[in-house]
Amino acid sequence: GENVEQHPSTLSVQEGDSAVIKCTYSDSASNYFPWYKQELGKRPQLIIDIRSNVGEKKDQRIAVTLNKTAKHFSLHITETQPEDSAVYFCAASRYSSASKIIFGSGTRLSIRP
Amino acid sequence: GAGVSQSPSNKVTEKGKDVELRCDPISGHTALYWYRQRLGQGLEFLIYFQGNSAPDKSGLPSDRFSAERTGESVSTLTIQRTQQEDSAVYLCASSLGRLGTVRNTGELFFGEGSRLTVL
Repeated sequence: GENVEQHPSTLSVQEGDSAVIKCTYSDSASNYFPWYKQELGKRPQLIIDIRSNVGEKKDQRIAVTLNKTAKHFSLHITETQPEDSAVYFCAASRYSSASKIIFGSGTRLSIRP
Repeated sequence: GAGVSQSPSNKVTEKGKDVELRCDPISGHTALYWYRQRLGQGLEFLIYFQGNSAPDKSGLPSDRFSAERTGESVSTLTIQRTQQEDSAVYLCASSLGRLGTVRNTGELFFGEGSRLTVL
């Protein structure tokens, strides 16, 4: 079955700097890769996703890149702000069939003022 | 409803007792997922429903865990003979339907979770 590994587990960056979180997956048939943000005490919420037919997707200060050959994908947050502090989860699944969505172990991002 | 609703929000039980956790998905969402989140940990997949069918039960930790769903509506997760290691937040999520259909963007909408503490 699918296995998703995520690193780092914790990340602290200076406000205004960039943050990068990386994930690898094991199932070569996976073709849908969402990222969820979970603020303290709240439910996870989708922030961006990418499908395997593209290599990069941007939405304002966040971007995701995908390397299908290497089976890894990354989340990039630029110009970080205090409200970016949260736990971020990557996930992978097979978009073309009814399938479970497997999450990585999460990255706790802290933004230093 | 406006969002995914879970109950109870908090449950404290004694080791060996059975518990039932309930999830009301967003109206019209045919797919429903259960995840377990231990303190400070990631989202562990438990089970997935498409309608009232469970194509994938591979994440259930043991035969003490079971889940059912009525049509495309309410789901219950039952844990029998609870153990201390079952203590966690149990999150339910729903989505529009089978991944790959035009209607389904793939986004999971999570409930607030049910926090289970086994003493």
